[in-house]
Amino acid sequence: EAQVTQNPRYLITVTGKKLTVTCSQNMNHEYMSWYRQDPGLGLRQIYYSMNVEVTDKGDVPEGYKVSRKEKRNFPLILESPSPNQTSLYFCASSLTSRLAPGDEKLFFGSGTQLSVL
Amino acid sequence: EDKVVQSPLSLVVHEGDTVTLNCSYEVTNFRSLLWYKQEKKAPTFLFMLTSSGIEKKSGRLSSILDKKELSSILNITATQTGDSAIYLCAVCMGGTSYGKLTFGQGTILTVHP
Repeated sequence: EAQVTQNPRYLITVTGKKLTVTCSQNMNHEYMSWYRQDPGLGLRQIYYSMNVEVTDKGDVPEGYKVSRKEKRNFPLILESPSPNQTSLYFCASSLTSRLAPGDEKLFFGSGTQLSVL
Repeated sequence: EDKVVQSPLSLVVHEGDTVTLNCSYEVTNFRSLLWYKQEKKAPTFLFMLTSSGIEKKSGRLSSILDKKELSSILNITATQTGDSAIYLCAVCMGGTSYGKLTFGQGTILTVHP
């Protein structure tokens, strides 16, 4: 089944303890992206990747790192989480990096609810 | 700064009503506009609009892009309780921001029986 898989679904952690949220897609998609969703603010893009070893900052990259060593995986790393990073996180992928008409159709993962105490 | 604004933020209607959701944008390099529906968790794709495809329709849902007014509307006719969701608008960028997507805050639609 074609899907974007995020893990974990829920995570409670403490300030400063490094964590990684994994994202994997099985559709051979070039484009992958991370978003956070906060009430009243919609989805905000953190980082995106057009292809392997190519990553770019989105609107809110501070405090986050990503890597794209393989096409299927795009982990989100919080080196020193803080309470203001408590949020619902989504990973998404799309067929090509050009996001040509039809390719903008993002496939989203189920989300990761992160709480930083 | 690229900006996408949706209105209203929240809407409550009864089954059978028609609703219109709005999305306006101010971005440096517009490429396309997308609508998503978010029910429980992950958003699902509804429509994509570009300069060459400014109107889309699927069943009771339809969407129009107005490039002159830098806005889009999403219409839902004969609403059903299953239409209750958050509706998200996003603009895809081109040029030096190629690949960047900016979402609006979303409109929470509640349809009562």
